[in-house]
Formats: sequence, C-alpha cells, structure tokens
Amino acid sequence: DTEVTQTPKHLVMGMTNKKSLKCEQHMGHRAMYWYKQKAKKPPELMFVYSYEKLSINESVPSRFSPECPNSSLLNLHLHALQPEDSALYLCASSQEEGHDEQFFGPGTRLTVL
Amino acid sequence: GEDVEQSLFLSVREGDSSVINCTYTDSSSTYLYWYKQEPGAGLQLLTYIFSNMDMKQDQRLTVLLNKKDKHLSLRIADTQTGDSAIYFCAESMDSSYKLIFGSGTRLLVRP
Repeated sequence: DTEVTQTPKHLVMGMTNKKSLKCEQHMGHRAMYWYKQKAKKPPELMFVYSYEKLSINESVPSRFSPECPNSSLLNLHLHALQPEDSALYLCASSQEEGHDEQFFGPGTRLTVL
Repeated sequence: GEDVEQSLFLSVREGDSSVINCTYTDSSSTYLYWYKQEPGAGLQLLTYIFSNMDMKQDQRLTVLLNKKDKHLSLRIADTQTGDSAIYFCAESMDSSYKLIFGSGTRLLVRP
C-alpha cells in the first residue's frame, strides 16, 4: 500500500464552524506533513510531525490545529476560519523527516464562506 | 534567501521533447526535485538530483543541473498527452528539510 488518503475530498464550512481534515497512510512512514496550496500557487508547508511529535510549525495561525493520534493518522482541526483560508490542503508522508521522498495525498479542497 | 523560479507555461506537440526550466538562489541547496501535479490531484515525485551531480536520466526524463548558474531543467522525451500537468521544481537544504517549491510550469501537450 503506497497510498496517502485524505478525507473529505471537498469541504464547505462557515466561519463559525469547527471541522477536521483527516489523512492516513499505512506505509510505516514516521514523518507526516500538512501543506496549503492556493489556486495557481505552489504548496506551502504548514506543519511537520516526526514520530508523532510536532517538529515544525511554519507560524500557522492557531485557528489551524494539527494532531497526530498515531503513526498512521494525521488530523487538521479547523475553527473560526476566514474566507482567505480557502485552498487545497495536502497531506504527505515520508519514511523519516529529511530528504526522503514525500508521498502526497490527493488533497481536501476547502471553501470557507 | 530561498527563491525558486519557473516559467509559467509551456506548450508542445505530442511526440516532441519538452524542456522545463527552473532557477534557484540558494547555493546551499542539497537536493533538487521535480514534482508533477495533475488537475485535482496531489503531487507526484518524478525524479530528484543531488547537488553534486550534473545529470540524471530516468527513462524519458533527463535532469540537468548547472550549479554555477543555479539552473535546473527537466527534459521529457517523446512527450505524450498524459504528460499535460503542472510541474514543480523544489529544493531542500541539509540545514532544513523543508521543501521550497517553484511557482510551477503548466505543460500543455497538443495532439
């Protein structure tokens, strides 16, 4: 199984809602990543988890809250988002944090109304 | 500083070769990558090159690295319509494993 899965594929939420994005991999990878990609732009790193511990937070606003409950799962909890947070949210994983190949999921397309 | 630049668009005829170019500014880049993104999908790693190499070939893909000019290129031989996608180059350094992506080049392959 060389796949990273993400749910949901699409999400529409209001600015007062609380929602979560989910990411799962069963490749035994110990590093997992969240990226944000705006339309016609490259992905931008948000968070890195290594061995289930937060390793990098790229100064992301606290309305985005990551969680890594176990080595296969990565969540991104969303609360009080703004319309400018609408984007494609990509999850990735790699064997270890470092130069190992990152495998990307298909992303969740988020629209904040 | 870290900055990676690419041309925005490339159109080629099916069967021709495509060359996608990328320039980067940080001379301490250790690894340089090429990713492909199809519409509505995540990124797929195509190939990568270490900074101490000049060239890498993998089937239809050839990566050339000019360290002096900080220029990276991806050549796709015998381009097919299925190659139509956005291609991102990216760099990472030993000091930080963070991937810095270029703006992406949209490749359109005409039948």
